[in-house]
Amino acid sequence: GAVVSQHPSWVICKSGTSVKIECRSLDFQATTMFWYRQFPKQSLMLMATSNEGSKATYEQGVEKDKFLINHASLTLSTLTVTSAHPEDSSFYICSAGDSNQETQYFGPGTRLLVL
Amino acid sequence: GDSVTQMEGPVTLSEEAFLTINCTYTATGYPSLFWYVQYPGEGLQLLLKATKADDKGSNKGFEATYRKETTSFHLEKGSVQVSDSAVYFCAHKAAGNKLTFGGGTRVLVKP
Repeated sequence: GAVVSQHPSWVICKSGTSVKIECRSLDFQATTMFWYRQFPKQSLMLMATSNEGSKATYEQGVEKDKFLINHASLTLSTLTVTSAHPEDSSFYICSAGDSNQETQYFGPGTRLLVL
Repeated sequence: GDSVTQMEGPVTLSEEAFLTINCTYTATGYPSLFWYVQYPGEGLQLLLKATKADDKGSNKGFEATYRKETTSFHLEKGSVQVSDSAVYFCAHKAAGNKLTFGGGTRVLVKP
């Protein structure tokens, strides 16, 4: 089946540093990947849609310069949280669509803690 | 706009009890419907899906039927196990390939 991985699974960083999170589709090519944010005991909030070879499309209210997304290949998208602050602490989850884009497969998530 | 509404939890059940989680949606057109499950500390896993009216999705003893007339996609399982304890998310995918999620329902199954 379709597998999506994320790395790292956990990251703790100091305020002001940048953190990069990778999302990979392991056994299929994903022209589109999605980045979500989830706060404790809440639903997923779509942050942006990542398209291979083009600029990401951000949802309203998501800072483009804060959350940099790069989708350099059909199997890899990265999310960089720049100048992280404690309020950026959250669970970040990516997903990738299959060939007909009917189903999204989710990564295991990355828990970010900014001190 | 498009939205998904599901019953609030937590839902606490005893093992072998019957589980129902209600889900209704609003959307233009005919979206595909999904149930995802999230176990503690993990990402989401696709549980089942239905792509057109009257379709029934099923997996691991869970079932949901796409009801266009009531715009619903309720999740059911006849006999839950402790291992079914998780958060369940209803979602739909309409235009633009974006998923819209409900708020999630936490289910706790006690032995």
